[in-house]
Amino acid sequence: DAKTTQPPSMDCAEGRAANLPCNHSTISGNEYVYWYRQIHSQGPQYIIHGLKNNETNEMASLIITEDRKSSTLILPHATLRDTAVYYCIATLSGTYKYIFGTGTRLKVLA
Amino acid sequence: SQTIHQWPATLVQPVGSPLSLECTVEGTSNPNLYWYRQAAGRGLQLLFYSVGIGQISSEVPQNLSASRPQDRQFILSSKKLLLSDSGFYLCAWSVWTGRSTNYGYTFGSGTRLTVV
Repeated sequence: DAKTTQPPSMDCAEGRAANLPCNHSTISGNEYVYWYRQIHSQGPQYIIHGLKNNETNEMASLIITEDRKSSTLILPHATLRDTAVYYCIATLSGTYKYIFGTGTRLKVLA
Repeated sequence: SQTIHQWPATLVQPVGSPLSLECTVEGTSNPNLYWYRQAAGRGLQLLFYSVGIGQISSEVPQNLSASRPQDRQFILSSKKLLLSDSGFYLCAWSVWTGRSTNYGYTFGSGTRLTVV
């Protein structure tokens, strides 16, 4: 797995977009970027993943820079229930193990 | 649909006692199975993973062991618990589709173990 770097914490106002950055400058060409989140006292939940194209699903959007050295997870309209720790992982597709870092603790403020 | 069951949700055990945590998956065949541990306020640490019945890979030498007696059953055990074994234990599964794991890992709800 490529090393990823995320800010330890971020705040976001409710209803605004939350933009969570992740740096993965050593990512290799066949490594995907995965995002998970962990709400307190629960197991992590898959959000989205991508290789080089931007991706969108019902939960979020993933923007990957052209050089693939960084990405941004976007929650378009953050709610209080989005308060969680968000993990970015760069890993080979089909790998048998993820290495989770310490993530970004997002706090959505009313 | 696929589901993952993990129990118990909470457990308080004395030091030196044995441990057995069970995880079962429904709705899929030949999953990859994983045990993670999360100490209080820390990140997730991969303990074991298995790609098939009877196959176990250990990531961290420790006081724990894992077994996979059936395709969709994964068990975490210890003969004698230590205080340092306290933590939040998570089971997860994934399926290799040949291209990309479509939805990555699916985690169970976890077991919070307190060794006293």
